[in-house]
Amino acid sequence: ETGVTQTPRHLVMGMTNKKSLKCEQHLGHNAMYWYKQSAKKPLELMFVYNFKEQTENNSVPSRFSPECPNSSHLFLHLHTLQPEDSALYLCASSQGGQAQPQHFGDGTRLSIL
Amino acid sequence: QKEVEQDPGPLSVPEGAIVSLNCTYSNSAFQYFMWYRQYSRKGPELLMYTYSSGNKEDGRFTAQVDKSSKYISLFIRDSQPSDSATYLCAMSEKAAGNKLTFGGGTRVLVKP
Repeated sequence: ETGVTQTPRHLVMGMTNKKSLKCEQHLGHNAMYWYKQSAKKPLELMFVYNFKEQTENNSVPSRFSPECPNSSHLFLHLHTLQPEDSALYLCASSQGGQAQPQHFGDGTRLSIL
Repeated sequence: QKEVEQDPGPLSVPEGAIVSLNCTYSNSAFQYFMWYRQYSRKGPELLMYTYSSGNKEDGRFTAQVDKSSKYISLFIRDSQPSDSATYLCAMSEKAAGNKLTFGGGTRVLVKP
């Protein structure tokens, strides 16, 4: 596999469920990101990890919990989500350092019932 | 005022026409500028990356940056139906490390 792979591609869950999104990059990058993409809104940066360390948490509610066990894998653990959390969740990776181009996966389409 | 403004479209053009896209921004510290293309049900794909002002050409794509006007453009020559997608601009300042700020995207439709 090449590039950035996200699983699952689609997820439907109730507000009381717990689920996890997975991201894996095969590009040898050192930085990984979670974004939220909602209709008619710009991409919202949620979390940034550099060399497995979280360097950015963009005021994300605690019902979203990221985990980065190594530079190639990134998870987003979800619990007690709200209907407004329904969106496309995108993972990206890049080389470490300033303003490196980010490479995106195809996202997980999340629907909260 | 949003930090990066982008007309959402849709922008509809006939096949073969030039597509002209632009973004305006308010943060004069932005120095790195990118354009991404996003097809339906796909993630954004990097098209162009430029630093500071000037032009950059890659095949049918030309990116322009005018920092004095805080305005960036993307031109697509000889447009094809396969160019139908949403185009996102993104930018970053030196002090922000690897944090990008995105525009909302412009939807483009190229009609055969």
